[in-house]
Amino acid sequence: NAGVTQTPKFRVLKTGQSMTLLCAQDMNHEYMYWYRQDPGMGLRLIHYSVGEGTTAKGEVPDGYNVSRLKKQNFLLGLESAAPSQTSVYFCASSPTVSNQPQHFGDGTRLSIL
Amino acid sequence: AQKVTQAQTEISVVEKEDVTLDCVYETRDTTYYLFWYKQPPSGELVFLIRRNSFDEQNEISGRYSWNFQKSTSSFNFTITASQVVDSAVYFCALRRSDGGYQKVTFGTGTKLQVIP
Repeated sequence: NAGVTQTPKFRVLKTGQSMTLLCAQDMNHEYMYWYRQDPGMGLRLIHYSVGEGTTAKGEVPDGYNVSRLKKQNFLLGLESAAPSQTSVYFCASSPTVSNQPQHFGDGTRLSIL
Repeated sequence: AQKVTQAQTEISVVEKEDVTLDCVYETRDTTYYLFWYKQPPSGELVFLIRRNSFDEQNEISGRYSWNFQKSTSSFNFTITASQVVDSAVYFCALRRSDGGYQKVTFGTGTKLQVIP
């Protein structure tokens, strides 16, 4: 059972380049999330989705865009990467029932030079 | 607004010692859920436990135990007889339950190092 799969696992970009991080889940979860993890700051929510075709801003959405065209996929885009976006990115999914935990992918380590 | 505070940034213990990780939360909701996650050095986030706000019964799972006290808004995690494999960053999280999208708030994590 794959759970939540993130692609790629590592990436190095130059400032100004663009890229898309892919998240796929096979648990039929309605909710999906993108977080970034930085030292000393825990997990901060970038964007989330409550269902196919929906997206919403989290705590730190600037510089990122997302799309949820299919229920199982949640894409995170960086249109013009900046060094401040160097981070570890985690995707998560969860059912709508609030007492259920989020399931996380293994993370994507992104470095912007 | 929700807030989760893990005041201990880093803790070091010698193997076989007991250690308690603190988690204090703030919420105006009467119904909510608390979670603990473990992030080992390999980086993935692993769910450990969930606790409902209306259930203050403590829980023990092997060497792990959790103490939920609504009166002090705390959900502390104790590892008994720590082992090197317990070395990880531990996150406490709070999820509201008010219908619709239920916001999840994470603490900043406590890094636990167990020294052999």
